[in-house]
Order: sequence, then C-alpha cells, then structure tokens
Amino acid sequence: QVQLHESGPGLVRPSDTLSLTCAVSGHSISSPNWWGWIRQTPGKGLEWIGYIYYSGSSYYNPSLRTRVTMSVDTSKNQFSLNLSSVTAVDTAFYYCARTMGDSSGSFDYWGHGALVNVSS
Amino acid sequence: SSELTQDPAVSVALGQTVRIACQGDTLRSYYATWYQQKPGQAPVLVIYGKNNRPSGIPDRFSGSTSGNTASLIITGAQAEDEATYYCNSRDSSDHHLLFGGGTKLTVL
Repeated sequence: QVQLHESGPGLVRPSDTLSLTCAVSGHSISSPNWWGWIRQTPGKGLEWIGYIYYSGSSYYNPSLRTRVTMSVDTSKNQFSLNLSSVTAVDTAFYYCARTMGDSSGSFDYWGHGALVNVSS
Repeated sequence: SSELTQDPAVSVALGQTVRIACQGDTLRSYYATWYQQKPGQAPVLVIYGKNNRPSGIPDRFSGSTSGNTASLIITGAQAEDEATYYCNSRDSSDHHLLFGGGTKLTVL
C-alpha cells in the first residue's frame, strides 16, 4: 500500500522559507512517477505547486517558480519542498502526492496534508 | 494562460443523475482528471484518462469530454457523494498542471 506523509514546521515567520518533506512508503520513489506538491488555502481550492522526478527533473507553477525549489532523496525515499520569502497568503494545507505512471498527470495517492501557518 | 472553470455549486436529488462540468481550452488536447474531497480529508482520485476509475471507486462515477468541456457524471447520486469535486489537467505547455476551482455537490 502506497503511503505518503508530510512533515515540517506548522508555523513559519513571514519572509522565511517554508520547508516540508514527504516520506514515501510502499513504493520506490525511483519508479516512473512524478512526485508533486499541491496546496489548499483553508476553505478554498487546490493549487498545483510543482512536481519532481527521481532524476531531479522538475516543473513548477509559473506563479510560484521564482520561490519554489524541490528535491528528491532516493536514499531516504522522500522528496522535499522549499518555498522562500513566504507571506500570509502562503498559509495553507500542503499536500504531497504521486502521479500515475502515465501521461495524464493524475495524482493517485495523496498524503493527509500538513497545515502551515505563516505568521509572526 | 490556461485555466479550468467550474460552477461553484450544484445540487442533485438523492438517486438522480448529476453532471459536473469543467471548461477550458486545454481540454481540447488533454483529458480531465476528477477528484472528490470531503471536509477535513485529502482529495481522492475518482476519474482519470478517457473514462477510467481507480479500484474502489463505484461505477456510478463516469467521465466524458466534448470540445472544451469535461464532465463528471454521477448516475444515481448517493448521500455519501456529497463533497467538493475538482477537475485538473495539463496546460498548453504540457508540463504544467491546472486545477479547477471546485464544485460543491449537495445531495438533497
């Protein structure tokens, strides 16, 4: 059974960098899937942040590209998200998810989500 | 830039059929994927590709596309189908993904 679990600070100060890690179990992160981050402001819709392949290739949402960095650690079977220069509008639930191994870009397994609050 | 548009809310009588729409030019090139999200839970994949259901998704869920509009169809809606439904697809760049704003489904 594929499982994903987000971890990281629940509170980040404005202008700091938000850092989250997604631990994957039940599936090798080196398999032909893209590993993504999606966020959701409380009570609002979903926003795709980006995704990364085990090789390190990545694509980011153009609206966040200048602040986003993703990385993969195959030895730990996990991947990470860094979002720099955060403000209150970055307060959201952050989900990590796996895309299916096809061209659809569909996310078939999701973590439970991590709430990150940006506040001083 | 590309975008996907959904009606904010739709309602359906118990046992009836409901169609939830997602509009966007990118849907002329790529299929929509549909997710169901209930309060306090992560989204769940319900339809992907032309009209495929993951294991465990009831067969009352189906998908279709016509022109720039994709539809999630629930045939015989049940009380447990009350949720917010999101569509997503690739944008014209092929590498980036988009989400629709979501449709809150109420089962009456």
